[in-house]
Amino acid sequence: NAGVTQTPKFQVLKTGQSMTLQCAQDMNHEYMSWYRQDPGMGLRLIHYSVGAGITDQGEVPNGYNVSRSTTEDFPLRLLSAAPSQTSVYFCASSLGGGDTEAFFGQGTRLTVV
Amino acid sequence: AQKVTQAQTEISVVEKEDVTLDCVYETRDTTYYLFWYKQPPSGELVFLIRRNSFDEQNEISGRYSWNFQKSTSSFNFTITASQVVDSAVYFCALSRHAGNMLTFGGGTRLMVKP
Repeated sequence: NAGVTQTPKFQVLKTGQSMTLQCAQDMNHEYMSWYRQDPGMGLRLIHYSVGAGITDQGEVPNGYNVSRSTTEDFPLRLLSAAPSQTSVYFCASSLGGGDTEAFFGQGTRLTVV
Repeated sequence: AQKVTQAQTEISVVEKEDVTLDCVYETRDTTYYLFWYKQPPSGELVFLIRRNSFDEQNEISGRYSWNFQKSTSSFNFTITASQVVDSAVYFCALSRHAGNMLTFGGGTRLMVKP
């Protein structure tokens, strides 16, 4: 099983550029989430989805958009990248609510110059 | 609001020592879930344990054990006879009942020296 697949693994952007971080899971999980990891701050929730067509904001949503048109995919869009968005991004999926574990992708290291 | 605090940012031990990683949480929910994840130098997040708020039994898995105490809002993790391969960043996390959205602590970097 592939599990949760994130692409790309590394990306360098110039300030103001846009890009989409891809996330796909093959476990038929309803719940998907995006987190960013910054030194000393753990992981912080950006956006999440509890099913196809349903998304909501997490703790740090500004500057990011998401959509969930299928159960499998949950892309994260940066419309106009800023240096403050330099981070490692993780996508996660889980079968249901809080009583299930989250499976994480390998992460995308994004640098905005 | 939920909050998870891992006061120890870095711990260094010598191989075979026991080490305890502290985790203190805050939540107003009566039903919640606590997790520990390991992040080795390769960067992926590895699930270690899940505990729900109604189950205060301690758990042991090999060299790993977890002590959940609702009275002190703590969910501490102990590694017995540490090994170099245990070197990693360890995250404690909290989730609400209605969803899997995790609130993470800042992480504890454990360095086990040979």
